[in-house]
Amino acid sequence: QKEVEQNSGPLSVPEGAIASLNCTYSDRGSQSFFWYRQYSGKSPELIMSIYSNGDKEDGRFTAQLNKASQYVSLLIRDSQPSDSATYLCAVRLLKGGTSYGKLTFGQGTILTVHP
Amino acid sequence: NAGVTQTPKFRILKIGQSMTLQCTQDMNHNYMYWYRQDPGMGLKLIYYSVGAGITDKGEVPNGYNVSRSTTEDFPLRLELAAPSQTSVYFCASSYSTRPGYEQYFGPGTRLTVT
Repeated sequence: QKEVEQNSGPLSVPEGAIASLNCTYSDRGSQSFFWYRQYSGKSPELIMSIYSNGDKEDGRFTAQLNKASQYVSLLIRDSQPSDSATYLCAVRLLKGGTSYGKLTFGQGTILTVHP
Repeated sequence: NAGVTQTPKFRILKIGQSMTLQCTQDMNHNYMYWYRQDPGMGLKLIYYSVGAGITDKGEVPNGYNVSRSTTEDFPLRLELAAPSQTSVYFCASSYSTRPGYEQYFGPGTRLTVT
């Protein structure tokens, strides 16, 4: 089982729709969860972080975390063509009681928002 | 405030050549990381450092070496380049590993080994 797994894409949604991106992780000791956006040829850019169960909203973005189900998701409301990118889920794992901040990434989901 | 900078942006190496990828941050961050990203994949950790003089291996360290003589700089050395090292390399830094402190990424170095 992969440590961090994202729903396979690509995902295509019409402009104005809600895009839903999902991620599961295997280590129950995981502490911190991140969503990065990566445009083609660019570096990852942090768009959301979440640390406790529930929802966290920031503008059109909502991150949802369910530690019991080991599941984290990202909802993008009113999707725009400029949201078209690869979205990377990253998890900060604790191993052996020592955290050095290592991020483990999923493989990414390509999102296309079409006009 | 430049953040995390990387040089070069692009490089083509022949098999067996060596090179150093440079990474510098001006945010006084203790933690620095090197990741590689293969096409269509997520990022994998190569090496990390928790402060000047302290480095350790990540998931995919074979074929690479690092050093951290200052807080600002964290160069990645490739010895005897192989085609399997063709990838995009990202350097990242963070002030802390506690919740609320994020990793900031540099613009990346695209390396091709032929």
